[in-house]
Order: sequence, then structure tokens, then C-alpha cells
Amino acid sequence: DTGVSQDPRHKITKRGQNVTFRCDPISEHNRLYWYRQTLGQGPEFLTYFQNEAQLEKSRLLSDRFSAERPKGSFSTLEIQRTEQGDSAMYLCASSPRLEDTEAFFGQGTRLTVV
Amino acid sequence: GDSVTQMEGPVTLSEEAFLTINCTYTATGYPSLFWYVQYPGEGLQLLLKATKADDKGSNKGFEATYRKETTSFHLEKGSVQVSDSAVYFCALKRNSWGKLQFGAGTQVVVTP
Repeated sequence: DTGVSQDPRHKITKRGQNVTFRCDPISEHNRLYWYRQTLGQGPEFLTYFQNEAQLEKSRLLSDRFSAERPKGSFSTLEIQRTEQGDSAMYLCASSPRLEDTEAFFGQGTRLTVV
Repeated sequence: GDSVTQMEGPVTLSEEAFLTINCTYTATGYPSLFWYVQYPGEGLQLLLKATKADDKGSNKGFEATYRKETTSFHLEKGSVQVSDSAVYFCALKRNSWGKLQFGAGTQVVVTP
């Protein structure tokens, strides 16, 4: 296994369009996280899954955002009616269900809304 | 709420210089503390961690000590190399399932 994989790496979209990103975690990692990182800032937590259950969502995740993790494997993050303020790097991370284990991050999907 | 504050960059150093990046935190309870590094064009990687007060995390010549009395977790390296040029993020985790709270990051530039 080569780590957390995210697709696409880059996405340019017009304002108002919908976009979907995919994250494939490390095999057998049952915890999966989405973060958003804007230029010059650290990543901000968006949401967390344990297996297929979405257990926490940040208030940063507006109604236009939805995340799923069917069957507890890969996850998707959809943004509807994109706005310029959605332009950011979207990071996915996974970790096994053990205390004090690190989260492994993917390389991210860079979204640019024009 | 929880927060992490780290020194602003960029920090520019010559090779073999001593590096310190300050990090302080605000959190209830006893969080675990982390330093992540992001090399150009790559994803975030865990550099080191400490899970309780007075623990020292170390890796690749970097060290950081969890100081509860000063709520700090400063990163140090005695002799930096050009390959240490990266953005360094301090982070805390307050609960076992691992939501991370990051600082804004500090860019380090090491020149030959």
C-alpha cells in the first residue's frame, strides 16, 4: 500500500458548479478525516468517519458540503454550487483505530474556483 | 476552544545553524502534541510527537519537549541542512480519535 491517495490532484471549476473529490485511505485504516487548508494557514478539520459512520462535522462544513464513506472504504467530498471562497487545498487523512496513532495524510486536492 | 500558536515565518537560516520554532497551545485537559512537516510538493508528514507532560519527541535530529507548565512544544534542531527547508506545523489532539488542531505553519528556508 502506498499511502493515502486523493483524486484529482488539481481541479479548476467555475463558480456555481458542483465538484467531487475522492480519497482512498490506507488499507484497514478505519478512521478517515477531511481537512481544508487555505494559503498561509494550517489545515482546518472538516469531518471525521469511523468506518462508514460520519461521527463529527465542523461548523465549517456548510450545507453545500457533503461527505460520504460507503462501506467504510474510500470517501468522497462533494461541494455544491461552489463559491470563490471554497478555493483551497482539501486534505484527506486516515489512521487505524488505536490510541495515539498518527494520522497519515494524502497529498491533497487543490481546488480553484474561478 | 483549542488553539495552537506558532511563530511566523519565513525563518531563513544558513546550513548548520541552530533552529528553534516556538509553539504554544491552549486546550483543556491533556492533549497530545505533534509536529508535522510539509516538504515542497509533498503531503503532511508526522515529524515527532509527545503524548504527556515532560515527554520528549525526537526524529531526524529534531526534538521537542511537552511543557505543560508553559503550554509549549518548541521544535529544535542543532544543525540544519538545506533539505530541512519546509513548512512546519505544530498541532494538538485532544481526544483519542484524533481530530488535529493545527497552527498556521512556519516556513523554514535553509541556504547553503
